[in-house]
Amino acid sequence: RKEVEQDPGPFNVPEGATVAFNCTYSNSASQSFFWYRQDCRKEPKLLMSVYSSGNEDGRFTAQLNRASQYISLLIRDSKLSDSATYLCVVNPSNAGGTSYGKLTFGQGTILTVHP
Amino acid sequence: NAGVTQTPKFQVLKTGQSMTLQCAQDMNHEYMSWYRQDPGMGLRLIHYSVGAGITDQGEVPNGYNVSRSTTEDFPLRLLSAAPSQTSVYFCASSRRGINYSNQPQHFGDGTRLSIL
Repeated sequence: RKEVEQDPGPFNVPEGATVAFNCTYSNSASQSFFWYRQDCRKEPKLLMSVYSSGNEDGRFTAQLNRASQYISLLIRDSKLSDSATYLCVVNPSNAGGTSYGKLTFGQGTILTVHP
Repeated sequence: NAGVTQTPKFQVLKTGQSMTLQCAQDMNHEYMSWYRQDPGMGLRLIHYSVGAGITDQGEVPNGYNVSRSTTEDFPLRLLSAAPSQTSVYFCASSRRGINYSNQPQHFGDGTRLSIL
């Protein structure tokens, strides 16, 4: 089983739609969680961190379910500019429970928003 | 404040050649990492460092060496280039958080490397 798994999509949605991505992780001791977006042939950029209580940033909502070991990202009122690849990122912990600067990326979910 | 700077942006090598990809950050970040990204795949960790003088292997370290003599610089060396190393390489840095956790990473623009 991969450490971090995402549905690669692609998701094709019309402008204004609501779309949700899920991501599962295998290491139950994982700590930090993030969503990044990556535009074609560009570097990944942080979209938002994911907190245990869930968090929202404008049209974007991230949720963490530690019991089921998954992270979700909800995008409301999709814009054309939201078209990108969305990367789920997890900071796994070693057996001692301490994380040492290592992040694991999912393979990404492709989103295309069309007029 | 330049952030994370990678050089070169593009490079073509012949099989068997060696070269060093440069990465520098000016944010005084403790953590630095090198990733490669291939079509249809996510970012795969090559090597990472939690501070000057400390490096460790990631998921795909074979064929690559790193060193971290200063906080700012984290060069990646290809010892003997192979076509399988054709990829886009990203360097990233982040601050060390509470309990050594990761803060979000800042990425360089990437180096597009082709091995013929």
